[in-house]
Amino acid sequence: QKEVEQDPGPLSVPEGAIVSLNCTYSNSAFQYFMWYRQYSRKGPELLMYTYSSGNKEDGRFTAQVDKSSKYISLFIRDSQPSDSATYLCAMRMNRDDKIIFGKGTRLHILP
Amino acid sequence: DAGVTQSPTHLIKTRGQHVTLRCSPISGHKSVSWYQQVLGQGPQFIFQYYEKEERGRGNFPDRFSARQFPNYSSELNVNALLLGDSALYLCASSLVASNEQFFGPGTRLTVL
Repeated sequence: QKEVEQDPGPLSVPEGAIVSLNCTYSNSAFQYFMWYRQYSRKGPELLMYTYSSGNKEDGRFTAQVDKSSKYISLFIRDSQPSDSATYLCAMRMNRDDKIIFGKGTRLHILP
Repeated sequence: DAGVTQSPTHLIKTRGQHVTLRCSPISGHKSVSWYQQVLGQGPQFIFQYYEKEERGRGNFPDRFSARQFPNYSSELNVNALLLGDSALYLCASSLVASNEQFFGPGTRLTVL
């Protein structure tokens, strides 16, 4: 079993819809959780950074962490065509530990 | 402000050759990490350097090595290239080893 599982998609949704992206993980020692956005042929861009369980909101983006279920989610409200990209979940055990990434989910927002 | 910069942008090598990739972190950032991203996969951790010392190493063969210079820039070296080394090599920098990491655009390496 991989440490971090993420459906690669692609996921296609109409503009304006709410997008739900998620990852599951197997190592209960993970404490820090991140979501990155990666456009084609670019480096990943940090979107959200959370510690332990709970919700965090930033503009149209909301990150949720459920450590009891080993499940993390990213919600995008009022999705725009410019949100079309690959979204990578990532996590680490300690603040100075290596980051473990999921495979990434390719998202297409249809105008 | 300039972000993380990497050079070269693209590189084509043949099997058995050696390659050096370069990274300049964001000004003030002292930690640099290297990742390999194969097409269709997430980035995989190779090395982390902080204050010129290796702080972490991923599950990569000894053909992969890196170093960090006094100005905090870094080089990734790969010897005896294999076809499977073809990937996007990403560099990320952070203020300290534990902080949020910011990625550069990557170097796309093709091994023929």
